[in-house]
Amino acid sequence: DQQVKQNSPSLSVQEGRISILNCDYTNSMFDYFLWYKKYPAEGPTFLISISSIKDKNEDGRFTVFLNKSAKHLSLHIVPSQPGDSAVYFCAATPGNAGNMLTFGGGTRLMVKP
Amino acid sequence: DAGVIQSPRHEVTEMGQEVTLRCKPISGHDYLFWYRQTMMRGLELLIYFNNNVPIDDSGMPEDRFSAKMPNASFSTLKIQPSEPRDSAVYFCASRPAQTGTIYFGEGSWLTVV
Repeated sequence: DQQVKQNSPSLSVQEGRISILNCDYTNSMFDYFLWYKKYPAEGPTFLISISSIKDKNEDGRFTVFLNKSAKHLSLHIVPSQPGDSAVYFCAATPGNAGNMLTFGGGTRLMVKP
Repeated sequence: DAGVIQSPRHEVTEMGQEVTLRCKPISGHDYLFWYRQTMMRGLELLIYFNNNVPIDDSGMPEDRFSAKMPNASFSTLKIQPSEPRDSAVYFCASRPAQTGTIYFGEGSWLTVV
């Protein structure tokens, strides 16, 4: 049973526009959430995280929103750039220790010039 | 700073052979993780260590898999005997005690024929 789901396997966006990647979770014990970006033939790279005590965290072009009541988080990239083209994974863990990360299946983002 | 270093990057082996994957975590990181990525199951945690001690190995698929961490700068994941269904990308990752952010290596691509 998937506890973290990314229902869109792929997303295509025009350069300069906003990219919105979504993630849903079912385990109410999750209270720390992370987004990772992965290029082909490389390991996942940490992008941004959010604790359940917040509903928004921003880092440059990247913003993560958390809706605890809906068990939903999203990653916004504004403006999108071709270099953002990658697979994006959301991950969740109970407690901010981050030891038991559960990953979603990933969303492949393609930013077209 | 060097990131998490894994070897070999690619391995092709015959069914029944022993496979050993190696990892050097980031210096100073107290936690080390082994993940496996497959098309069917995505990214899943196999085992993790804290200060060289295995803490949770509930993700290890079966007794053919074993992991060791003899010191703070080295870990191995061994599969004996290997089977075609073990073909996957195996990631090693580490994190410091102070944060929940996990840093991944570039992965070891294993193909068992």
